Amino acid sequence: DGGITQSPKYLFRKEGQNVTLSCEQNLNHDAMYWYRQDPGQGLRLIYYSQIVNDFQKGDIAEGYSVSREKKESFPLTVTSAQKNPTAFYLCASSGRARTGHSNQPQHFGDGTRLSIL
Amino acid sequence: AQSVTQLGSHVSVSEGALVLLRCNYSSSVPPYLFWYVQYPNQGLQLLLKYTTGATLVKGINGFEAEFKKSETSFHLTKPSAHMSDAAEYFCAVSAFTGFQKLVFGTGTRLLVSP
Repeated sequence: DGGITQSPKYLFRKEGQNVTLSCEQNLNHDAMYWYRQDPGQGLRLIYYSQIVNDFQKGDIAEGYSVSREKKESFPLTVTSAQKNPTAFYLCASSGRARTGHSNQPQHFGDGTRLSIL
Repeated sequence: AQSVTQLGSHVSVSEGALVLLRCNYSSSVPPYLFWYVQYPNQGLQLLLKYTTGATLVKGINGFEAEFKKSETSFHLTKPSAHMSDAAEYFCAVSAFTGFQKLVFGTGTRLLVSP
């Protein structure tokens, strides 16, 4: 079955440590996204990528980094510069939207819950 | 710029009762609208979407939503709640701004009592 796989499901970070969250999709989607979810705040966009080897900052990119070397993969690194990393992180993908046709639904993985040790 | 307002962070209903979750949007261009459902510790699952055409949209699990342009609303309804409907529901608006950006509401948690 096609879908999005996020790993690990739970992750713990020590002070000063960088951690990487994995996101893999087999839906043949061009676009991929990372969101952060905090209680009562909905989802906020961290980074997005519309095509391989290209990615852009979202609304809350500070303290995070990404890469997009393969179409199927869009890993997110939470760096030590992110002072409040405890949250639920969601990866999503969608078909590529075109001007005037932003109706491509995003498909989500099951998330990674990151906590501080 | 697009934005979404979901009225009520929590909604409680009895099993078998009508479910109504409210969503109002703001958009400078004709919007595309979505409802997603999230169960605990899981990702978001698409319930339904409005693009163009029929204003009453039917989704999965018996849910439907009506797009009302004059009221800038896209409320989600289900005639009869089931215990398995207990989850968090997110309304989202989409617009192409160089890329397809989804803007989410803050979510409404639906509680269903026996």
